[in-house]
Amino acid sequence: AQSVTQLGSHVSVSEGALVLLRCNYSSSVPPYLFWYVQYPNQGLQLLLKYTSAATLVKGINGFEAEFKKSETSFHLTKPSAHMSDAAEYFCAVTMNTGFQKLVFGTGTRLLVSP
Amino acid sequence: SQTIHQWPATLVQPVGSPLSLECTVEGTSNPNLYWYRQAAGRGLQLLFYSVGIGQISSEVPQNLSASRPQDRQFILSSKKLLLSDSGFYLCAWSLNNRYGNTIYFGEGSWLTVV
Repeated sequence: AQSVTQLGSHVSVSEGALVLLRCNYSSSVPPYLFWYVQYPNQGLQLLLKYTSAATLVKGINGFEAEFKKSETSFHLTKPSAHMSDAAEYFCAVTMNTGFQKLVFGTGTRLLVSP
Repeated sequence: SQTIHQWPATLVQPVGSPLSLECTVEGTSNPNLYWYRQAAGRGLQLLFYSVGIGQISSEVPQNLSASRPQDRQFILSSKKLLLSDSGFYLCAWSLNNRYGNTIYFGEGSWLTVV
């Protein structure tokens, strides 16, 4: 079975600083990996996804993530944080065989200070 | 384009009362449909998914049930709510014709059981 671990339930950065949100996965077959963002009291919005094409994936709002098979990681980064990036971020994994069930990590809340 | 609608947005229900949350998808046919729950401070847990009308799979044993009476309609129900049913419920959909499809979420429904 696949699983996702997000290190750090909260990450604090200053506006303009690098954002790094960590995600490690476990999967017995090649995975598909996703990052979603959730603003307060809203549903989840897709930031980006990896589906076995390019290992460096660019998403919306300046975010990107790199799939590293050797490290079983899919960390999310953004060079310069904006105040509007404050939200909760979820990493998720699904397999490329069988019915697609998206398994989520527990989320990381990003706090951005002026 | 496809859209997903979920209602009601907020709900306060007494213990022992019934529940009905509804979700409809527009702009696509034969989607995969999902119900997730997000409890406070925790990640998202897949409750039910459906690959077609009348086809429901349950991921965890609990006090809830789901139904899919029409192709693009997904309903989450309970006959008698428990305090532990409180949480943020998210309906979602994806195309079912290939792997790695993005799962798109509705805006969510806040349920408070009192």
